[in-house]
Amino acid sequence: AQTVTQSQPEMSVQEAETVTLSCTYDTSESDYYLFWYKQPPSRQMILVIRQEAYKQQNATENRFSVNFQKAAKSFSLKISDSQLGDAAMYFCACLSYNTDKLIFGTGTRLQVFP
Amino acid sequence: DGGITQSPKYLFRKEGQNVTLSCEQNLNHDAMYWYRQDPGQGLRLIYYSQIVNDFQKGDIAEGYSVSREKKESFPLTVTSAQKNPTAFYLCASSMGSSSSYEQYFGPGTRLTVT
Repeated sequence: AQTVTQSQPEMSVQEAETVTLSCTYDTSESDYYLFWYKQPPSRQMILVIRQEAYKQQNATENRFSVNFQKAAKSFSLKISDSQLGDAAMYFCACLSYNTDKLIFGTGTRLQVFP
Repeated sequence: DGGITQSPKYLFRKEGQNVTLSCEQNLNHDAMYWYRQDPGQGLRLIYYSQIVNDFQKGDIAEGYSVSREKKESFPLTVTSAQKNPTAFYLCASSMGSSSSYEQYFGPGTRLTVT
């Protein structure tokens, strides 16, 4: 069975600063994807970034980047130059190619202060 | 515009009544999913369907039922057998194994049962 753990229920960051959200996962599958989703107060889930497990290079999307450590089963999200609009719940998720089931962590609430 | 619609946004029902939540997509996606979100928890998979006329139970299927008669539609029925139906329900779709497995989410339905 796959599990995803987010150990930080809440984080805060000053505007323009950098923050890192942690995520660890456990899976027996060899082929899987990892995702970070953002859920703002509107509750619409928005994909932030994805990482294929077979790729060694860390994914980046503008101000968002990941630190993917496959051996340690760690998948942290770094947000650079934080903006007020980044305030949201962030969910880490893992999907196995075999099952096509997306397993979510419990989320980290990010507050951004001006 | 392509996307996923869920209606209604808020739904109120009396205990003991069945209720059906609507989910429609015009993205031509093969796979569709239903998730439940409770406070302090991540999203949990209720049911998913990879093709028309076929669906599989997720992790918390008890008390729920679905149908997939059309590619575009995947309604979820919350039956009176669901012990704690009050929650936020999210529908998602993806191209499945033919793509990067990214799931696109609808805006959600908040169900309150009293």
